[in-house]
Amino acid sequence: EDQVTQSPEALRLQEGESSSLNCSYTVSGLRGLFWYRQDPGKGPEFLFTLYSAGEEKEKERLKATLTKKESFLHITAPKPEDSATYLCAGSSASKIIFGSGTRLSIRP
Amino acid sequence: EAQVTQNPRYLITVTGKKLTVTCSQNMNHEYMSWYRQDPGLGLRQIYYSMNVEVTDKGDVPEGYKVSRKEKRNFPLILESPSPNQTSLYFCASSWGTSGNEQFFGPGTRLTVL
Repeated sequence: EDQVTQSPEALRLQEGESSSLNCSYTVSGLRGLFWYRQDPGKGPEFLFTLYSAGEEKEKERLKATLTKKESFLHITAPKPEDSATYLCAGSSASKIIFGSGTRLSIRP
Repeated sequence: EAQVTQNPRYLITVTGKKLTVTCSQNMNHEYMSWYRQDPGLGLRQIYYSMNVEVTDKGDVPEGYKVSRKEKRNFPLILESPSPNQTSLYFCASSWGTSGNEQFFGPGTRLTVL
């Protein structure tokens, strides 16, 4: 059965304290591994797509990496405005499976 | 402006009263999808559509129906809502298939009493 698992459920960091979010996946015929950001009361907003193991993508303080079983979202020197829920999702030929998210809180 | 719109944004209804949540996109996307989001369970796919007149079940389709008569619209129908369908619903669309980034609507918060 296809599955996407994210850890930790919640993470509290001090401003400037770097860390990583984990996404483990088992998705048959993976077409893409996605990261989204979701702010309270809003729809998810696209961050990255990774298609093959070894691929990396960066955007400002965020960097996403992909292996055959996991993806990591590295956040470097985070700021309070990076506080949000980060969602990971894997797509098969037709379906999309989301993890339950990591709630990230950055204290000033 | 490229966007996905949903209506209504908020809805309180009673058990058994049929309702429809509309979804429309102006980006000419082929793939459209409905999700529900519940605390601790994340986003779960209800139904998806690869193109006009092509729809299929996601992981939690029970109690829901959809149709795709036009490329831009993908309504979600609850024929006989029950309290366990109280949730936050999102519509999304993307180019081509499921392997491309999705654009999400603002969400519909549904309460079934």
